Amino acid sequence: GENVEQHPSTLSVQEGDSAVIKCTYSDSASNYFPWYKQELGKRPQLIIDIRSNVGEKKDQRIAVTLNKTAKHFSLHITETQPEDSAVYFCAATGNEKLTFGTGTRLTIIP
Amino acid sequence: DADVTQTPRNRITKTGKRIMLECSQTKGHDRMYWYRQDPGLGLRLIYYSFDVKDINKGEISDGYSVSRQAQAKFSLSLESAIPNQTALYFCATRQAGIETQYFGPGTRLLVL
Repeated sequence: GENVEQHPSTLSVQEGDSAVIKCTYSDSASNYFPWYKQELGKRPQLIIDIRSNVGEKKDQRIAVTLNKTAKHFSLHITETQPEDSAVYFCAATGNEKLTFGTGTRLTIIP
Repeated sequence: DADVTQTPRNRITKTGKRIMLECSQTKGHDRMYWYRQDPGLGLRLIYYSFDVKDINKGEISDGYSVSRQAQAKFSLSLESAIPNQTALYFCATRQAGIETQYFGPGTRLLVL
């Protein structure tokens, strides 16, 4: 089955700086890669996703890049703000099932 | 997402007890999923269902069972709860042909 690895497990950045979270996947048949944000005590919420026929997608301060050859994808958050503090999960879809990474706890330092 | 609800939101039970967690959705989605979240382990798939007559095991189904009573309802049962089933449980839904999954608010379960 699919295996998704996510790094780093914790990340602290100064407010206004950029944050990058990286994931790798194992199944070359996976074709959909969402990123979820989970605030403390809340449910995971989709923040951005990318499909395997696209190399990059951007939504305001958030962007995701995908390298199918290397089987890795990354989340980029620019101009970080205190409300970006949360746990972020990457995931990969194969056979209609999502396999999640283990999460990155992002802390924005004021 | 208020269209996906879970009951109860919190539950404390004892080892050996049977417990049921319920998920309901008003989104009209046909696919429903149960996940378990543990610190440092992310979300792991327990069971999933594509419709009322289609139930599939996920990555960690041992010790769990499910029932899809209707398209809108998907229940997760622990027949004989054990302490290592203490976790946060999430239900999620999606529509066939659309990959995005929508999560319920979660049920925090403590097994003593």
